[in-house]
Amino acid sequence: QVQLKESGPGLVQPSRTLSLTCTVSGFSLTSYGVSWVRQPPGKGLEWIAAIWSGGSTDYNSALKSRLSISRDTSKSQVLLKMNSLQTEDTAMYFCARRHVYYGPDYWGQGVMVTVSS
Amino acid sequence: DTVMTQSPASMSTSVGERVTVNCKASQSVGTVVAWFQQKPGQSPKRLIYLATNRHTGVPDRFTGSGFGRDFTLTISNVEAEDLAVYYCLQYDSIPLTFGSGTKLEIK
Repeated sequence: QVQLKESGPGLVQPSRTLSLTCTVSGFSLTSYGVSWVRQPPGKGLEWIAAIWSGGSTDYNSALKSRLSISRDTSKSQVLLKMNSLQTEDTAMYFCARRHVYYGPDYWGQGVMVTVSS
Repeated sequence: DTVMTQSPASMSTSVGERVTVNCKASQSVGTVVAWFQQKPGQSPKRLIYLATNRHTGVPDRFTGSGFGRDFTLTISNVEAEDLAVYYCLQYDSIPLTFGSGTKLEIK
C-alpha cells in the first residue's frame, strides 16, 4: 500500500528556514521520484521541487535560490528545506510520488505551514 | 514555463448531468497531462494520466481526452460525491504546471 506522510513545524517565523520531511512506504525512492507541491489557503496548486529515482533534482525557478531537496533512502524520507520564509509561503505543503512515465499519482495528506511572528 | 489555462473557473450542475472541464497549454505537451480531483479538506486524487488513462479505481464516468495543447475532462452522470475542485497538470516539462482549478458545485 503506497503511503506518503508529510511532517514539519507548523509555525515558522519570517526569515527563518523551513524543514519538511516526507516519509514514504509501499515503494522505493530508488524506483520512484517525489515532488513537493504547495497550496496557499483557498488557492491553487504550485509545484515546488522534485527528486527523481536516480537522485537528480529539479526546482521551480521562481523559488530555486531558496530551496534544497534531498533524500535518505535508508529511512525512506525526502527532505525539503526552504530558507528566508515570508508570509506568502504560508500554505499546505504536499509530497507526491511520481512515476517516470506516468507522472504524479499518490499524494500525502499535507502539512500546514504558517509563516508568522 | 508552460502555462495551463483552465476553464471554467466554476460550474454548477445537477445530479445525472454531464460536464466538461477544459485546459489549454501554452505550448504542445503531447499527451503528458493529468487530471486531479480535490475534495474539501483533502489532498488531490489522480483521476487521469497521460491525457486519457484512468487511474486505478476511478469510475468510468470520468473521461480524459486531448493531445498537443487542448485537453478535456468529462464527467458523465454527475453524482453528489463529485463536489470538488478539478485541476489539470502538465508534467511534460519542468516546471510542472497546474491549471487554476474548476470548482464543481451540485445543485
